[in-house]
Amino acid sequence: GAVVSQHPSRVICKSGTSVKIECRSLDFQATTMFWYRQFPKKSLMLMATSNEGSKATYEQGVEKDKFLINHASLTLSTLTVTSAHPEDSSFYICSASKGLGTNEKLFFGSGTQLSVL
Amino acid sequence: LAKTTQPISMDSYEGQEVNITCSHNNIATNDYITWYQQFPSQGPRFIIQGYKTKVTNEVASLFIPADRKSSTLSLPRVSLSDTAVYYCLVGLDTGRRALTFGSGTRLQVQP
Repeated sequence: GAVVSQHPSRVICKSGTSVKIECRSLDFQATTMFWYRQFPKKSLMLMATSNEGSKATYEQGVEKDKFLINHASLTLSTLTVTSAHPEDSSFYICSASKGLGTNEKLFFGSGTQLSVL
Repeated sequence: LAKTTQPISMDSYEGQEVNITCSHNNIATNDYITWYQQFPSQGPRFIIQGYKTKVTNEVASLFIPADRKSSTLSLPRVSLSDTAVYYCLVGLDTGRRALTFGSGTRLQVQP
């Protein structure tokens, strides 16, 4: 397998503040990482694709100015929730792609529970 | 994008074999089928991946018919700790960004 580390696991913040979530591939290089959002008892919703050295690709309906993604190295992608509001409270999960073509697999971080007061 | 359809929930008892089927009628020629397990407040965990016929590992087996329009995850002798949500994911070609999760199947294992 492969290890994807995500921090913090839980964060509580006040409305209007910004929160940064880190996603690291510990034992492999990931040119592509993905960010998901998950509400209670719901499936994962892809928010954006993070590409090392280039701009992220956002899914329809996801505000790129709200959810800033930076993928500055082959092992680190960050998601910053800017000016957070209570409706941004959710479980955020990152994943990293390892391998190519037929050997490609996704490995997931442990998730970040964001609570905005 | 290949859409997947799974049963919303399943119940089983400890020691039984559980089979979860996923339909993916629009699967593309190059798409692989991957199953993930997710516990509450955790990220999904890779279980098994296959392209056709049968794949087996230490955790599960994956059966894929010749037309590849469906797949079945088989969990032998489940235990209470197998209670989780299981997702079928089709297509990992990141060039096409085919990374859509379906609703998943919530498996409840009873003692």
